[in-house]
Amino acid sequence: QKEVEQDPGPLSVPEGAIVSLNCTYSNSAFQYFMWYRQYSRKGPELLMYTYSSGNKEDGRFTAQVDKSSKYISLFIRDSQPSDSATYLCAMSVKAAGNKLTFGGGTRVLVKP
Amino acid sequence: DGGITQSPKYLFRKEGQNVTLSCEQNLNHDAMYWYRQDPGQGLRLIYYSQIVNDFQKGDIAEGYSVSREKKESFPLTVTSAQKNPTAFYLCASMQGNGNQPQHFGDGTRLSIL
Repeated sequence: QKEVEQDPGPLSVPEGAIVSLNCTYSNSAFQYFMWYRQYSRKGPELLMYTYSSGNKEDGRFTAQVDKSSKYISLFIRDSQPSDSATYLCAMSVKAAGNKLTFGGGTRVLVKP
Repeated sequence: DGGITQSPKYLFRKEGQNVTLSCEQNLNHDAMYWYRQDPGQGLRLIYYSQIVNDFQKGDIAEGYSVSREKKESFPLTVTSAQKNPTAFYLCASMQGNGNQPQHFGDGTRLSIL
């Protein structure tokens, strides 16, 4: 079993819909949680960075962390075709050299 | 503009050949990382360095080597011992030694001739 699980998709939604993405993990020592967006043939771009449990909002993006359930989510409101990309969750234990453990990524398609 | 530059964007390796991938950052970040990305497997850590002249193996270091002679540079050599080198290689850097996120370059795609 992988340490971080993420549905590979693809997840197809109409323009303007809410995109809901999630990851589950098994290591209770993870403290820092990130969401990256990756376009084809490009490097991952940091979208959200959170510490511990709770919600964080930035524009159209909301990240949620539930450490008791070992579950994190990313919501994208008013989705646009430009949001079509692969979304990667990542997490780290601070004491471990800040090494990131990634999910496999979810491909999202927003149709006009 | 500050950022992370990886070169070349595409690289081809012949059997038995070593190749070196370049990663340069002008963000004054202390830590640098190399990841390998294969389809459907996310990113896996190859090597990382938290300070000049020091580096540690990641989860899949076999067949790879690195050096960290300068703060801004962290080249990765894919040796002939790496039997399945075809992948997308990503370099990242991070400020400080703890609670900061990593930022990535745009990658090098390595293929076998």
